[in-house]
Amino acid sequence: QVQLQESGSGLVKPSETLSLTCTVSGGSVSSGSYYWSWVRQPPGKELEWVGYIYYSGSTNYNPSLKSRITISLDTSKNQFSLNLRSVIAADTAVYYCAAGYSGYEGPQYYFYMDVWGKGTPVTVSS
Amino acid sequence: SYELTQPPSVSVSPGQTARITCSGDALANQYAYWYQQKSGQAPVLVIYKDSERPSRIPERFSGSSSGTTVTLTISGVQAEDEADYYCQSADSRGTVEFGGGTKLTV
Repeated sequence: QVQLQESGSGLVKPSETLSLTCTVSGGSVSSGSYYWSWVRQPPGKELEWVGYIYYSGSTNYNPSLKSRITISLDTSKNQFSLNLRSVIAADTAVYYCAAGYSGYEGPQYYFYMDVWGKGTPVTVSS
Repeated sequence: SYELTQPPSVSVSPGQTARITCSGDALANQYAYWYQQKSGQAPVLVIYKDSERPSRIPERFSGSSSGTTVTLTISGVQAEDEADYYCQSADSRGTVEFGGGTKLTV
């Protein structure tokens, strides 16, 4: 089964860019088998979906974050990445990468995340 | 966007049945999914498409749907089931939402 591992900056200054990478093993980001997502969880709070990218490069972002985020693929390294610009304290969270499925079953749309990384904490502070 | 509402907490004794609900108008037309998150760990998918269970998840976990409410049922609850549980849904425009989470105490 696919396995995921997050890495990146754990401390980011306000107004700067948060950059995280998810390394995929046991599968290929260019295979089309999964939708590659980012989910975050502020301390003591609920999960918040950030966005996803498909092997084709098509993306879908949380509308509340859309103006500040970019999710991209690096097929040569079998990774996908998250860039979150102009960060504020409210962006402090544990960030998870996940692999999931999306499509239609008859008329019914589905999207869910099946495999998750362990998560990486990010603090926004000067 | 749309809202998914969960009770903040549910408490049961070992061996009893726990039922965790998730409510929202969108659930009348959208699938729901359930994730278990133990303290300090990443979420784990336990139910998908309302009632399907991944093969790696114990049979005591089940899901059901009725109207605008979906329910995660854990039969014969064990101490290891103590965790936060989150429902999630998604619409065809690609908007993905999570519920606020329910803390299950055993």
